[in-house]
Amino acid sequence: AQTVTQSQPEMSVQEAETVTLSCTYDTSENNYYLFWYKQPPSRQMILVIRQEAYKQQNATENRFSVNFQKAAKSFSLKISDSQLGDTAMYFCAFISGNAGNMLTFGGGTRLMVKP
Amino acid sequence: EPEVTQTPSHQVTQMGQEVILRCVPISNHLYFYWYRQILGQKVEFLVSFYNNEISEKSEIFDDQFSVERPDGSNFTLKIRSTKLEDSAMYFCASSVFTGTYEQYFGPGTRLTVT
Repeated sequence: AQTVTQSQPEMSVQEAETVTLSCTYDTSENNYYLFWYKQPPSRQMILVIRQEAYKQQNATENRFSVNFQKAAKSFSLKISDSQLGDTAMYFCAFISGNAGNMLTFGGGTRLMVKP
Repeated sequence: EPEVTQTPSHQVTQMGQEVILRCVPISNHLYFYWYRQILGQKVEFLVSFYNNEISEKSEIFDDQFSVERPDGSNFTLKIRSTKLEDSAMYFCASSVFTGTYEQYFGPGTRLTVT
C-alpha cells in the first residue's frame, strides 16, 4: 500500500516571499502520478499541479512549481511570490498508474500567508 | 468552466437515519468517486465507480454505504443508518480516463450526525 507523508502540519510565509511545502511518499511502483491539492477555508479541493513519475522535468504552473526527486520519493511544492489567497490547507496526493484509481492523500500542511 | 456540483451543502441528520448525498459530475467524465474528510483529518477514499459498477472501494465503504448513478447525470452516495462517526465532509470527484488521472472535486457536503 502506498503512503503519503507531509511532515509540516503548519507553515507561514510573508506575502510576496517564497515557501516550500514538503511531501514524501512510499511505493514500490514505477508508474504513478503525484498531485498537490489546495483546500481554502471554503473546503473545496482545488488541483494545483500534477507530476507524472516518468517525466524527469519538474512541473510548473505559474507561481507553483514542484521539486520531484523520484529516487528519494520526494515531491515538494514551491510557491513563489506568495499571495494572501494562497492561505489554505495543501494536500499532497498519489495515484497509481498501473491499477486502481484511488487518490491517497497526505495529512496536509496548513499554510498561512501573512500581509 | 465545467465543474462538479454537490447537494446539499450541509445535511444534519439523526443517528440511525438514512441520508443520500448527491453529486453531478462533469458531463464528459467517466469515472466517479466519493471521498470523506473527518474534521481535522486527511481526505480518505471511499469508492470509485465506472460503467455503472463499483470499480474499487476502501475498508470504510462497508454495507452501510451504497452508490448509484440513477440517471445520466447524478451520482449518489447513500448511508443507510448513520452513526455519529459518519459526521464528515463528503467530497464527490470525477475524472476522464485519459491517463492523466486528474480528479476534479466538488465543493463537498458537510454531514452532521446528531
